[in-house]
Amino acid sequence: GAVVSQHPSWVICKSGTSVKIECRSLDFQATTMFWYRQFPKQSLMLMATSNEGSKATYEQGVEKDKFLINHASLTLSTLTVTSAHPEDSSFYICSARAQGQGKYEQYFGPGTRLTVT
Amino acid sequence: GQNIDQPTEMTATEGAIVQINCTYQTSGFNGLFWYQQHAGEAPTFLSYNVLDGLEEKGRFSSFLSRSKGYSYLLLKELQMKDSASYLCALNSGYSTLTFGKGTMLLVSP
Repeated sequence: GAVVSQHPSWVICKSGTSVKIECRSLDFQATTMFWYRQFPKQSLMLMATSNEGSKATYEQGVEKDKFLINHASLTLSTLTVTSAHPEDSSFYICSARAQGQGKYEQYFGPGTRLTVT
Repeated sequence: GQNIDQPTEMTATEGAIVQINCTYQTSGFNGLFWYQQHAGEAPTFLSYNVLDGLEEKGRFSSFLSRSKGYSYLLLKELQMKDSASYLCALNSGYSTLTFGKGTMLLVSP
């Protein structure tokens, strides 16, 4: 149980275009989903926290107008990178926390490798 | 805020035991996690400690001392597949996790 999927697993886009990444909890309902970014040989950096049906909470330094997050249902959250630039190239990972889970365990998706040319 | 420190790299041989340390400073504490991450893949959950003491799970054990702001992950009977990055992550009480930079473990034959 507790499987999280992401789509696509990798994407290459041109500078200035937008890219949407989907994160789905397959066998549980996720009240909270998290979006992380990881640059090579660096740790995961939390970008934003999204709760179903409400606006996402962004970490300091993350542009909310550039990284649009939508958590429309208990099993789906999307991250849209708008007007992507080469410096946005990174590994984007989502995680989900199950409803009612007491110990704050997060289940991670397999990640999406974004390359902006 | 939170601050997490762990060694950048460690090496060990197959069949050996290795201990990866993690020290932290935080204003609030609601649990410490260890994750394993292979290159290019997402992290996978290894262990969770919220009370002091040792949690054992097969070849992996994790220890926590809240008063010292210290945790370690113990890996026994090392296998080549254990070569990965090991991330210490802190939950400070707001359901978000703050990750350390990870310890890259290289297991050699």
